[in-house]
Amino acid sequence: GESVGLHLPTLSVQEGDNSIINCAYSNSASDYFIWYKQESGKGPQFIIDIRSNMDKRQGQRVTVLLNKTVKHLSLQIAATQPGDSAVYFCAENREGYGNKLVFGAGTILRVKS
Amino acid sequence: DAGITQSPRHKVTETGTPVTLRCHQTENHRYMYWYRQDPGHGLRLIHYSYGVKDTDKGEVSDGYSVSRSKTEDFLLTLESATSSQTSVYFCAISENGVNYGYTFGSGTRLTVV
Repeated sequence: GESVGLHLPTLSVQEGDNSIINCAYSNSASDYFIWYKQESGKGPQFIIDIRSNMDKRQGQRVTVLLNKTVKHLSLQIAATQPGDSAVYFCAENREGYGNKLVFGAGTILRVKS
Repeated sequence: DAGITQSPRHKVTETGTPVTLRCHQTENHRYMYWYRQDPGHGLRLIHYSYGVKDTDKGEVSDGYSVSRSKTEDFLLTLESATSSQTSVYFCAISENGVNYGYTFGSGTRLTVV
């Protein structure tokens, strides 16, 4: 697949453990955030989103936390599985940027069996 | 990915030649986007469209042009390909702009030699 992972931070976890992937954003006026998952050779897939009027949102095995004070976003994956191995991106909608998302560089998640 | 198709999936071209990548959607979504993805980088916006014949530049638009003559098709053209345009190109679609995120295609891997 495409070598999009060069120089990206890597998180290695044991199968069954919980994973926490972090993302810092720069614009305090950003009001909408999304986490995407990208498997090798595929396009990014939507995982979960959160708006700035929320601190936490839960999905199936995933939770997104938003700390606006320090401009930090995290994705928690419960009971990590081998199929969770991928590159994870956060994306934000910045004020004044219209209907466009700005993506972070990504984090590689490797799940060890 | 359901509803969005990119073509070709792979292409090798020579420096100085024109190249056109196609994104086709069957979702009748208003918004369409072209991103490029390079090792160690997140997705960077090249151009986007908010309707037929309505397009605008993104952050890395130099050397690229786009056209959208029909709702379903969004074309990305490299007028004179350069080695710096070797990349993986992703098209994305959205019904409501950034709300609920984008749906991405599977990507086109372009190599300029």
